[in-house]
Amino acid sequence: GAVVSQHPSRVICKSGTSVKIECRSLDFQATTMFWYRQFPKQSLMLMATSNEGSKATYEQGVEKDKFLINHASLTLSTLTVTSAHPEDSSFYICSGNRALGRSLGTQYFGPGTRLLVL
Amino acid sequence: GENVEQHPSTLSVQEGDSAVIKCTYSDSASNYFPWYKQELGKGPQLIIDIRSNVGEKKDQRIAVTLNKTAKHFSLHITETQPEDSAVYFCAASINSSASKIIFGSGTRLSIRP
Repeated sequence: GAVVSQHPSRVICKSGTSVKIECRSLDFQATTMFWYRQFPKQSLMLMATSNEGSKATYEQGVEKDKFLINHASLTLSTLTVTSAHPEDSSFYICSGNRALGRSLGTQYFGPGTRLLVL
Repeated sequence: GENVEQHPSTLSVQEGDSAVIKCTYSDSASNYFPWYKQELGKGPQLIIDIRSNVGEKKDQRIAVTLNKTAKHFSLHITETQPEDSAVYFCAASINSSASKIIFGSGTRLSIRP
């Protein structure tokens, strides 16, 4: 199958610090990765689309200077929450789209990272 | 842009009975419709998907139907089991390696023993 990992699985940080979350596609190449945010009992909200080797595309209302995204390779994308505040506390989930072969366009999701900002 | 609506928001069924979750989409260009299951504290897991060139797809106890004319698609789970309890999301997209998918609002399915 297609496996996506995220690290860390959960993080607690102080207000004002920055937190980096890694998303890796372990057994497939993902030219496009997506970052979502999910609040309790709600659906996934797309934050940005991350393309390998180019700048991310942010959804309306998402601050690109606050949520820095880097897609350094076909298997790795990172999300950095800069100067985190309590309202940034949430469940962050990434996904990767298969770039080639069967199941083209199918998104596979990581296990999520729970961020708690104190 | 695409809009996906999902009903019901919560569903409780007796173990062994069937569960049906329905979704509608707005963009006729959408041609790929995945369904995800999300357990508490975990990421969504793809359970089945359907592309617009077919009207029905089945995988063991799970089936999905698609009506392109009406822009409806549905998930059917038969012989429900306790482990089917989770939140289910439908989604729609235009199939390509770079397309984003639009999620429904989710259905919390509970299986009563």
